[in-house]
Amino acid sequence: RKEVEQDPGPFNVPEGATVAFNCTYSNSASQSFFWYRQDCRKEPKLLMSVYSSGNEDGRFTAQLNRASQYISLLIRDSKLSDSATYLCVVNRRSYKLSFGAGTTVTVRA
Amino acid sequence: DGGITQSPKYLFRKEGQNVTLSCEQNLNHDAMYWYRQDPGQGLRLIYYSQIVNDFQKGDIAEGYSVSREKKESFPLTVTSAQKNPTAFYLCASSVGARGGRRGDTQYFGPGTRLTVL
Repeated sequence: RKEVEQDPGPFNVPEGATVAFNCTYSNSASQSFFWYRQDCRKEPKLLMSVYSSGNEDGRFTAQLNRASQYISLLIRDSKLSDSATYLCVVNRRSYKLSFGAGTTVTVRA
Repeated sequence: DGGITQSPKYLFRKEGQNVTLSCEQNLNHDAMYWYRQDPGQGLRLIYYSQIVNDFQKGDIAEGYSVSREKKESFPLTVTSAQKNPTAFYLCASSVGARGGRRGDTQYFGPGTRLTVL
């Protein structure tokens, strides 16, 4: 089983729509969770960190379910600029991270 | 401006050659990391360093080597022993242990695309 698993998508949504997707992780000892955004052929950029049950930053909301070992990301009022691949990232010991393969979101006009 | 720089942006290697990828940070971060990314896969950890003059193998260290002689610099050498080196290489850094729980947040450089000819 992979340490972090994501639905690769793509999720194709119209502007203004809400889109949500999940990520599951295998290490029940993980304490830090992150969502990164990666544009085509660019480096990942931190979108948000999740240390407790969830986090909200503007149109983006992350929810953590420790019992079921999954993290979700919800994007409200989607913009064309939200089109990207979203990486789910979970910490391991010794300050190492495990990365999912990413969920691709395409927002259309 | 604080940040992480990588050079070169594109690199072409002939069979049997060793090549070195540069990574520099001025964020005063203790920890630095090297990853490779292949299409459709998550980032895989090659090597990491939590302090100057110390580094550990990651999940796919075979065919790679690193050094950490300065806090700001963590170069990666791709040796001829690496059988499939064509990939996107990403360097990252984090505050590390002195940052407590938030010390594991990693920030990435712009990456180097390596192609074997």
